[in-house]
Amino acid sequence: QSALTQPRSVSGSPGQSVTISCSGTSSDVGAYNSVSWYQQHPDKDPKLMIYDVNQRPSGVLDRFSGSKSGNTASLTISGLQAEDEADYYCCSYAGSYTWVFGGGTKLTVL
Amino acid sequence: EVQLVESGGGLVQPGGSLRLSCAASGFMFNDYAMHWVRQPPGKGLAWVSGVSWNSGSIGYADSVKGRFTISRDNAKNSVYLQMNSLRIEDTAFYYCAKKAGSNWYFDLWGRGTLVTVSS
Repeated sequence: QSALTQPRSVSGSPGQSVTISCSGTSSDVGAYNSVSWYQQHPDKDPKLMIYDVNQRPSGVLDRFSGSKSGNTASLTISGLQAEDEADYYCCSYAGSYTWVFGGGTKLTVL
Repeated sequence: EVQLVESGGGLVQPGGSLRLSCAASGFMFNDYAMHWVRQPPGKGLAWVSGVSWNSGSIGYADSVKGRFTISRDNAKNSVYLQMNSLRIEDTAFYYCAKKAGSNWYFDLWGRGTLVTVSS
C-alpha cells in the first residue's frame, strides 16, 4: 500500500492549463478505472472533482478533466482561475477492499 | 441536511486508546459503505479503513492493521473507529467519508476530528 506519486507542486498563470500526474502501479491505478480527484482548500474538507478517471460530478466545471494511461492518471485544469489554488489529491481503489491516496499536489496560480 | 459529524478526538498518550464516532444524517445510511481517512497537520490525505453497508467487507491500511477496528451501527446511523496502541505518527485529523454507492469514490466528507498522540 504505497502512496500514489504526485508532484509536490505545480503552478500556472490565470487562463493557462496545468496537468497534475498521479502515478501508481498495476495493482491500483492500472488495475481499476477507479481514480478520483479531490480538491482541498486550507482548513476545508476535501471536495470531489473527478471520479471514475474522467467523470465530473454535477456542479464541477468542465475546466476540470481527467484521464488515465496505463498506471498513470492525470488531472487537467484549463482556464486557470485564482480560486483553483488549492491542494489536489488523487485516489484509487487498490483491491481487497483497500484504497490509496496520492501524496498531494499544491497548485499555485501565479 | 446531508452531513457527517465526527467526534471523539483528543489528546492521548502513546500506547493509549481512543474511539472515534461519525454520525450520519440526511441520507439512507445503511445503503452506503463508510470510510475513515486521516490527514496529519500540514500533510496529505491517507486512507485508513472502510466498511461496507452490511459490514460484510472491511479493509485497513497496513499502517493501522491489527491496531484499529472499524464498525458500524445502522440503527444509530453511525460508524466508529476504535484505535488502540496509538503511536505518535497516528496524530492527524480523522475524516469520516461516505462512499458513493457501488462506485469507488467518496462523495461526502465530514469536517474531521483531531487526534493528538503525545506524551
